[in-house]
Amino acid sequence: SQELEQSPQSLIVQEGKNLTINCTSSKTLYGLYWYKQKYGEGLIFLMMLQKGGEEKSHEKITAKLDEKKQQSSLHITASQPSHAGIYLCGADHFGNEKLTFGTGTRLTIIP
Amino acid sequence: GAVVSQHPSRVICKSGTSVKIECRSLDFQATTMFWYRQFPKQSLMLMATSNEGSKATYEQGVEKDKFLINHASLTLSTLTVTSAHPEDSSFYICSARDDGTFDGAGGTPLHFGNGTRLTVT
Repeated sequence: SQELEQSPQSLIVQEGKNLTINCTSSKTLYGLYWYKQKYGEGLIFLMMLQKGGEEKSHEKITAKLDEKKQQSSLHITASQPSHAGIYLCGADHFGNEKLTFGTGTRLTIIP
Repeated sequence: GAVVSQHPSRVICKSGTSVKIECRSLDFQATTMFWYRQFPKQSLMLMATSNEGSKATYEQGVEKDKFLINHASLTLSTLTVTSAHPEDSSFYICSARDDGTFDGAGGTPLHFGNGTRLTVT
């Protein structure tokens, strides 16, 4: 099976601070997706990465995929309460959009 | 942007009854849709791939006779949980692949519904 590890499992960050979430695959990825989920709700698409070394940014969130296409990081700058939620990485190993998800990172932002 | 409508959002049913969940792409065609299940405080697990006009393909360990999938049109896939039992209580969520989106074009070919919370009593 394709293993996908996400860390940390939970994160408590003071508002205004930066944070990073990591996602590591044991196999080379075709694509890597980042989503945000509020518990028991749908997934909000954040970013999709496909090329080795690729980096994408949207507002205060930046996602990177390493050159070997096995590890991705999600970085939030100057965190805000609206960033709180569960962040999930989804790995597409074969280019067929059948995603294997990480265990998720529960992000809490404190004042 | 592309929207996937999933209905119902919540359903409570009695043990032994069947429940149908719809996943509909509202402004795009989707030859392929995916069904996931999420248990409390766990991640999403792929259950099956729904293909328009052909049989669904199920992941290992998922009972195809228990979770019936029908993808009769390019915009609709349904998941029927047959003879539901309390252990089937879960959050079910679908995703649809936009047939008209090219990979790496800046967006995503995948769009998720808002999920269905099933409670079997």
